[in-house]
Amino acid sequence: QKEVEQDPGPLSVPEGAIVSLNCTYSNSAFQYFMWYRQYSRKGPELLMYTYSSGNKEDGRFTAQVDKSSKYISLFIRDSQPSDSATYLCAIHGNQFYFGTGTSLTVIP
Amino acid sequence: GAGVSQTPSNKVTEKGKYVELRCDPISGHTALYWYRQSLGQGPEFLIYFQGTGAADDSGLPNDRFFAVRPEGSVSTLKIQRTERGDSAVYLCASSLAGRETQYFGPGTRLLVL
Repeated sequence: QKEVEQDPGPLSVPEGAIVSLNCTYSNSAFQYFMWYRQYSRKGPELLMYTYSSGNKEDGRFTAQVDKSSKYISLFIRDSQPSDSATYLCAIHGNQFYFGTGTSLTVIP
Repeated sequence: GAGVSQTPSNKVTEKGKYVELRCDPISGHTALYWYRQSLGQGPEFLIYFQGTGAADDSGLPNDRFFAVRPEGSVSTLKIQRTERGDSAVYLCASSLAGRETQYFGPGTRLLVL
């Protein structure tokens, strides 16, 4: 079983929609959860970082961790064409584990 | 300030050749990571340096892969006897010691023919 699983999509939404991206993980001991955005031919860029459970909000982005279900989510409100990218979830256990990434396209 | 830089940006080589990939981390960052990213996949951990020493090299796939960071700043990933399956984007990231925020470079795209 992989440490973190992510639906690869692709996901296509109209501008202004709410986007929900999700990952599941295997080890209940994991405490640090991250979401990265990766544009084509670029390195990943950290969007959100959460320690333990709960929600964290930053502008149009909300990260949510449900440790009882071992489930993490990223919500994007009022999605914009510039949000079109691949979104990677990541978990820090004894090393960093990344999901496969979800490709998102926001259509104007 | 300058971010993480990686050179070359692209590298094409022939099967069996030796390649070196370079990473310049953000100044003052003591932690440095190498990852490999294949098409349609997330980054896969290779090795982690804290200062000059490799704190965790458990992700290196075999003994053809080796990395150094002799002065605790620039790092070089070395691949011997390259194989076609080594073709991927090699990403480097750095962070302050004890911090979870990693800053990634743009990657080196390696193609082994």
